[in-house]
Amino acid sequence: GQQVQQSPASLVLQEGENAELQCNFSTSLNSMQWFYQRPGGSLVSLFYNPSGTKQSGRLTSTTVIKERRSSLHISSSQTTDSGTYLCAMAGFASALTFGSGTKVIVLP
Amino acid sequence: NAGVIQTPRHKVTGKGQEATLWCEPISGHSAVFWYRQTIVQGLEFLTYFRNQAPIDDSGMPKERFSAQMPNQSHSTLKIQSTQPQDSAVYLCASSSSYEQYFGPGTRLTVL
Repeated sequence: GQQVQQSPASLVLQEGENAELQCNFSTSLNSMQWFYQRPGGSLVSLFYNPSGTKQSGRLTSTTVIKERRSSLHISSSQTTDSGTYLCAMAGFASALTFGSGTKVIVLP
Repeated sequence: NAGVIQTPRHKVTGKGQEATLWCEPISGHSAVFWYRQTIVQGLEFLTYFRNQAPIDDSGMPKERFSAQMPNQSHSTLKIQSTQPQDSAVYLCASSSSYEQYFGPGTRLTVL
């Protein structure tokens, strides 16, 4: 079945530093999403990005289908960026398979 | 647009009791998905509907779990004879194409 590997598992940043989160998937995909979740919070969709590059504020998502990977870049991190970032992929007309998440802590 | 609505937000049941969780998808979305989130297992797919028809229930425990979508405005997930291992956050998502939008979840605690 589909497998999604996320790395790193956790990350500690000093405020202002940049970070790159990685997601690798084992099969071809039709859908790739990045989510953000605070402890006890809802899943907030950051990007729907099945291919190419998308940017929203300080966040940039890049998906390279041929290499079966997607990345999320956080620039100039802020303490409010702390939380867990999850990637998820889906094949054609199917449910999402999630990675295990990257827990990000941004220190002031 | 209120987003995906899930009720109740929290539910506590005793072992062996029944729990019914409700989901109201975003108006106009044709697909509804149910997932479960635990610290140990992470996010797991349970089942999904498209245009109210069940499409894939491969993630559903075969015993005690059932899901329905009687109309386009709501879906239910029912767990019979709840067990402590059913304790989790149950998430509902809806979609009109590929991008999925998640509700806030129902935190089920089985004592």
